[in-house]
Amino acid sequence: DTGVSQNPRHKITKRGQNVTFRCDPISEHNRLYWYRQTLGQGPEFLTYFQNEAQLEKSRLLSDRFSAERPKGSFSTLEIQRTEQGDSAMYLCASSRDRGMNTGELFFGEGSRLTVL
Amino acid sequence: QKEVEQDPGPLSVPEGAIVSLNCTYSNSAFQYFMWYRQYSRKGPELLMYTYSSGNKEDGRFTAQVDKSSKYISLFIRDSQPSDSATYLCAYNFNKFYFGSGTKLNVKP
Repeated sequence: DTGVSQNPRHKITKRGQNVTFRCDPISEHNRLYWYRQTLGQGPEFLTYFQNEAQLEKSRLLSDRFSAERPKGSFSTLEIQRTEQGDSAMYLCASSRDRGMNTGELFFGEGSRLTVL
Repeated sequence: QKEVEQDPGPLSVPEGAIVSLNCTYSNSAFQYFMWYRQYSRKGPELLMYTYSSGNKEDGRFTAQVDKSSKYISLFIRDSQPSDSATYLCAYNFNKFYFGSGTKLNVKP
């Protein structure tokens, strides 16, 4: 299976610690997205990359959050000085950019963060 | 106002029923719409996508877009307990935007 892969699947951490999530997209996909999802809500956009370039960041993304996609392959999402409000499912997704408003988005299984 | 609105449910139906799930959107420029299914503690999976107006059918599922009323629908025929999940509508306009999801429970 060559779908989107995320690690770790679940992370429990204490408030104030740093955490990092990794996403490996579908290999031929040039776009990679990070979303956050809390219980009873749909995925909320955080940021996305086209190849290695980070094209947009949501205003939801505070300075404690940083994402990278070196060489346009895998991506990491780091959260520094975690807070209890960061507890959520962090979803990675990828797509092949075929133009302005097309393309299907494929998700990984998510990385669930619990901040104690 | 959110750009796409979706009734959160939950919606509970007996097995075999026809299910109708709906979303409304605000921007008439949107043309590319999707439906995702999400099982508990899993990532969303793409179910169907449609472009502009009209219907698209795939097995027991039909997606419909009514651009005049800015309304998108997903119909499930002969619903099964395995269809019990949260259904998310979405559209693509530079990036992908999602509704809050409708939780569906199909009772055996």
